[in-house]
Amino acid sequence: AQTVTQSQPEMSVQEAETVTLSCTYDTSESDYYLFWYKQPPSRQMILVIRQEAYKQQNATENRFSVNFQKAAKSFSLKISDSQLGDAAMYFCAYRSLPYSGGGADGLTFGKGTHLIIQP
Amino acid sequence: SAVISQKPSRDICQRGTSLTIQCQVDSQVTMMFWYRQQPGQSLTLIATANQGSEATYESGFVIDKFPISRPNLTFSTLTVSNMSPEDSSIYLCSVIPGLAGVNEQFFGPGTRLTVL
Repeated sequence: AQTVTQSQPEMSVQEAETVTLSCTYDTSESDYYLFWYKQPPSRQMILVIRQEAYKQQNATENRFSVNFQKAAKSFSLKISDSQLGDAAMYFCAYRSLPYSGGGADGLTFGKGTHLIIQP
Repeated sequence: SAVISQKPSRDICQRGTSLTIQCQVDSQVTMMFWYRQQPGQSLTLIATANQGSEATYESGFVIDKFPISRPNLTFSTLTVSNMSPEDSSIYLCSVIPGLAGVNEQFFGPGTRLTVL
């Protein structure tokens, strides 16, 4: 079974600064998918960014980018020019290839990092 | 994309009773899931709801406790049976339009359950 570890329960950053959230995972699979989701106080889960493991290029979405290190099984999220609206819980998640068996298409989540933006 | 609604949005229930949560999607989807988010915790996959067949449960979750129905491609229900205070959680319905893989997984607003 796969596991996802987020070692930072809480992070704080000044508005307009850059912050990096850490995520490591454990898997014996050679191909898979990785995601970062955001959960603001409204509880709605929002996809921030996604990465296919076979792609060497790091994914980027506007102010959000990842540092994907496949050999190290690391998938960190960098938020540039932090904004007050970025304050939320951030969850790193893993998904196996389709049809790998039992729940493979579901997501395995880390415990989350609570991001605080200081004005 | 997919728009998901859940009913009820919240409920307070007595120990030993059961609650059925409904999930309605605005389009037909193949992949539908149920997650649990305990207070202050992450999301844990309960089961994959399969249309026309029995749900596929994750380790630690059983059909007798969490029966799931999936009568069609836009609707599913999750029942939390014989509830105890440990079942107090947010329960979320989730879908993937199209195939899984790198596709985005959409989540409903959740049902906040409190068991007294």
